Formats: sequence, C-alpha cells, structure tokens
Amino acid sequence: DIQMTQSPSTLSASVGDRVTITCRASQSVSGWLAWYQQKPGNAPKLLISKVSSLESGVPSRFSGSGSGTDFTLTIYSLQPDDFAVYYCQQYNGNSRTFGQGTKVE
Amino acid sequence: EVQLLESGGGLVKPGGSLRLSCEASEFSLSSYSMNWVRQAPGKGLEWVSSISNTGTYIHYADSVKGRFTISRDNAKNLVYLQMNSLRAEDTALYYCARRYVTLGKGMDVWGQGTTVIVSS
Repeated sequence: DIQMTQSPSTLSASVGDRVTITCRASQSVSGWLAWYQQKPGNAPKLLISKVSSLESGVPSRFSGSGSGTDFTLTIYSLQPDDFAVYYCQQYNGNSRTFGQGTKVE
Repeated sequence: EVQLLESGGGLVKPGGSLRLSCEASEFSLSSYSMNWVRQAPGKGLEWVSSISNTGTYIHYADSVKGRFTISRDNAKNLVYLQMNSLRAEDTALYYCARRYVTLGKGMDVWGQGTTVIVSS
C-alpha cells in the first residue's frame, strides 16, 4: 500500500502568514491527491482534489501543487478560520491512504 | 440538503460484531463510490474500505481485511459496514463519505460519524 507522510506535524503561525504543508507518497499517486481540513468535533472538509483543483466555495488563498510523490498545500495569508488540522490523501489504485495530519495552531 | 447519516455504532465486547449503516439523503448513491473512514480518539483519519458505485470493486485497509465487509443497496440508498472479530484498536468514530469517481474528486460529502467502542 502507498504510505503518505506529512510534515510538519504541528505548525505555529499567525494571521496573515503564508503556511506550507508538505505531503510525500511512498510511490507515485499519478495526480490522485486530495487535501482536507478538519476542525474539532467536525467531519473533514474536502478542500482540493487532483493535486490542485479547488472545491467550490473554498477560498482562493488555498492552493495545491506538486506531482509524482511530492505535494504541497499552501495557505496564503492565514485567516482565523484556517486554524485546523489538514490531511492529504491519495486515491490511486486500491487504497485511499491519509497522511497523519498537520495541526495549524 | 445533501447528507449522509451513519448509524449502528455502540459498545461491543472484543470479538463481537456490529453492522454500521450509512443512508444518503437528497442524492442517489448509485453515482458514487462510497467509503468508510475512521478516526480513533485524538488520532488522525484512517481509510477503512471503499466500494464502487455498482459494488463491483471493493477494497479494504490491511488492518480490517478479513474482518470487515462493505456492501451497498443502491435501491435503498444505503451502504453498510459489517464488522466482525472486533478488537480494542477498532474503537473509533466511523465516517462514511462519498466520492464522485468520474470527476476524479476526493471525498466531498461526509456524514457526522457513528461511534464504535470495543471494550470488555
């Protein structure tokens, strides 16, 4: 199975900062990479599909990039509502593995 | 409003069984691949199982293979997760989530989850 490794595990930032979270796959995921945001007590929310395709209603300050095995989620100008845990997920092949999560505090 | 509603969670002894259900409202499940994802207390997300829109393709995480069975009834707009031989490490909040494979999207609609506690 494909393993997903996110870094950092925790990230301290301030409103207005640019935040970058990385996600590395143990093998190519052929572009089938999504990012989710989860706030305490809530289900995850899909932000980005296919590496860089922003979901409808997601602010444009969120951006995804990467290819092959290395991917990045960037939040330009962090807002108070963005403090949460972020997960990457690959959906290539027979598994749908998540990264371990990055808490933005 | 498009929603998924899970049910069937509860307290069960190690070695026991539970069947979780996930009901879709305001959309037809038949167009979507469906997934179960769990989250142990204070931990991250773990994908458990997926089933294609027609039920032809089914996949499991290694941690549940041979113990859990996913199924669906498109006519009833329901997805199930039969969980047998439960272990303490299966304790988690179990979410169902849909994925529109045709557009290559991730899981865009999630339920609120149902809690499974495995304890003697």
